[in-house]
Amino acid sequence: AQSVTQLDSQVPVFEEAPVELRCNYSSSVSVYLFWYVQYPNQGLQLLLKYLSGSTLVKGINGFEAEFNKSQTSFHLRKPSVHISDTAEYFCAVKPRGSGGSNYKLTFGKGTLLTVNP
Amino acid sequence: DTEVTQTPKHLVMGMTNKKSLKCEQHMGHRAMYWYKQKAKKPPELMFVYSYEKLSINESVPSRFSPECPNSSLLNLHLHALQPEDSALYLCASSHPGGGTEAFFGQGTRLTVV
Repeated sequence: AQSVTQLDSQVPVFEEAPVELRCNYSSSVSVYLFWYVQYPNQGLQLLLKYLSGSTLVKGINGFEAEFNKSQTSFHLRKPSVHISDTAEYFCAVKPRGSGGSNYKLTFGKGTLLTVNP
Repeated sequence: DTEVTQTPKHLVMGMTNKKSLKCEQHMGHRAMYWYKQKAKKPPELMFVYSYEKLSINESVPSRFSPECPNSSLLNLHLHALQPEDSALYLCASSHPGGGTEAFFGQGTRLTVV
């Protein structure tokens, strides 16, 4: 089984400041890692994913994340945020391998990023 | 076309009503999903269809009945719902396989009165 912990339920920042949203996971098997964003009254949109290879992953809207296997972390960063980045951010994992379980995305509880002027 | 389209966007139904939620994608994805999301919570997986066959049912009550008529369409039939079933219902699709991301629709906001 997998579990995902997003360490901060809310992160308020000022516009143009850097931000880091933290994500740790636990799994008995290797996993794929994802970050999704959800704007108010919308569905989820993929920001970035880690499958293999370079541990620094770049995504859309200037976001990036670094996979750290030893610390089982996948923190999301942006060097300078905009008002429009205000949204809920979900970290998620999916097990590698075959079988029905690899359809299951396990989400963290989410982090509400609020960017203030 | 990278969209998953859900209809309706909003739905209000009584506890004795029967209604259906619809989801459509034209990305050639052969895995389709229903999620339920309560306010300020992450999405919870309900059902997964793989190649039009029900692959996962996360012990969802029988008042929710999924249907996958073809590889592009996914329905969720609703009957005798309870007020606590009010939520945002999200459809998603992906290529089968673990390394592929799911594409989500905008959701149907369901209110049971």
